[in-house]
Amino acid sequence: YDLTQPPSVSVSPGQTARITCSGDSLSKRYAYWYQQKPGLAPVLVIYKDNKRPSGISGRFSGSSSGTTVTLTISGVQAEDEADYYCQSADSSATPYVFGAGTTVTVL
Amino acid sequence: QVTLRESGPALVKPTQTLTLTCTLSGFSLNTREMCVSWIRQPPGRALEWLALIDWDNNKYYSTSLKTRLTVSKDTSKNQVVLTMTNMDPVDTGTYYCARTVYSGGWNGLDSWGQGTLVTVSS
Repeated sequence: YDLTQPPSVSVSPGQTARITCSGDSLSKRYAYWYQQKPGLAPVLVIYKDNKRPSGISGRFSGSSSGTTVTLTISGVQAEDEADYYCQSADSSATPYVFGAGTTVTVL
Repeated sequence: QVTLRESGPALVKPTQTLTLTCTLSGFSLNTREMCVSWIRQPPGRALEWLALIDWDNNKYYSTSLKTRLTVSKDTSKNQVVLTMTNMDPVDTGTYYCARTVYSGGWNGLDSWGQGTLVTVSS
């Protein structure tokens, strides 16, 4: 994978979860984050590094620094337990590349 | 309301060709900047982008699978079709179609179908 994510993150309810995603392309291209719950399709939760689609909780935020982007979930709730995937573009000819995903476990 | 729905066979045999259809609602690939991608996910594994077709009939493919993939659209039916040749058991997984809007560059996949599970087995 061209985008590197930690396999898992564990967090207690009410605490803050941070998921990183690293890759050379991230210094030149936007990052996107998806939440996927078991048996369901992914849902876009952050676009263009730090923008939140309508309907997504304000507890989700994104940031970028160099070749690393971070998804932050503030005040984690049990419903946030899911897999999270970062995505960027590899080039103009390869518009989508996904990271390996991070499983967020709410303790 | 934007929706996408995948359809196709649940089971294919090794070496066969898989054909999947994505039926669009709430938007059209005749509209400038509209694009549809195919993404797959083996059981318990990560998402993998496969192909994209845009409003202008430009097509993009995963580098590792490009020799096996063909994406096309039928705007009269508001459908996008993906074919994958020479199927193998490692191709087993859930196949999704998803929309993006090309606005100044590739954007996120903002609407997804529910996915269709394809099993490759003899």
